[in-house]
Amino acid sequence: EDQVTQSPEALRLQEGESSSLNCSYTVSGLRGLFWYRQDPGKGPEFLFTLYSAGEEKEKERLKATLTKKESFLHITAPKPEDSATYLCAVQWGNNDMRFGAGTRLTVKP
Amino acid sequence: GAVVSQHPSRVICKSGTSVKIECRSLDFQATTMFWYRQFPKQSLMLMATSNEGSKATYEQGVEKDKFLINHASLTLSTLTVTSAHPEDSSFYICSASQGANNYGYTFGSGTRLTVV
Repeated sequence: EDQVTQSPEALRLQEGESSSLNCSYTVSGLRGLFWYRQDPGKGPEFLFTLYSAGEEKEKERLKATLTKKESFLHITAPKPEDSATYLCAVQWGNNDMRFGAGTRLTVKP
Repeated sequence: GAVVSQHPSRVICKSGTSVKIECRSLDFQATTMFWYRQFPKQSLMLMATSNEGSKATYEQGVEKDKFLINHASLTLSTLTVTSAHPEDSSFYICSASQGANNYGYTFGSGTRLTVV
């Protein structure tokens, strides 16, 4: 069965403490992997799309990487305003798409 | 960038009544719109995909007669929750796509529905 798994479920960091979030997938025929940020009570905000293994994209303190089986969202020197739930979504086949359960990130000052 | 407006942001309704949620693409034409449901601390579950001018495609387990979707124009899709029950209480989110083969990546701000 096609699966998208995010880990950890929750992550608490001190301000400035870099870390990585993981999104692993088992779909075949990947068309794209998306990262979103979601604040409580809000819709997801688009961050990145990755299309092929080896691809990397950066935005401010965030960097997304992709391999054939997983993606990492690296957060460098996070700030409290980076606290949010980070969702990944995988698109495959005939535009089928599935979201992971998300990682709830809390950055303490 | 592309903006999707969703309205209302919050709604409380009585059991048995119907509620309509609107999703508008403000600065682009959305050929495809998607409706999701999200429970607390859970991920987004796709409910249906709607293409302008045609019937929506519902995911397995989603009742078509309960969740009516209309995509009558390239900038507006509506989701009507009919005969709402407390178990329909949830966070509903739409997203819109600019291309037929491009899965939507611009999301609305969501609607918190509470059925009492």
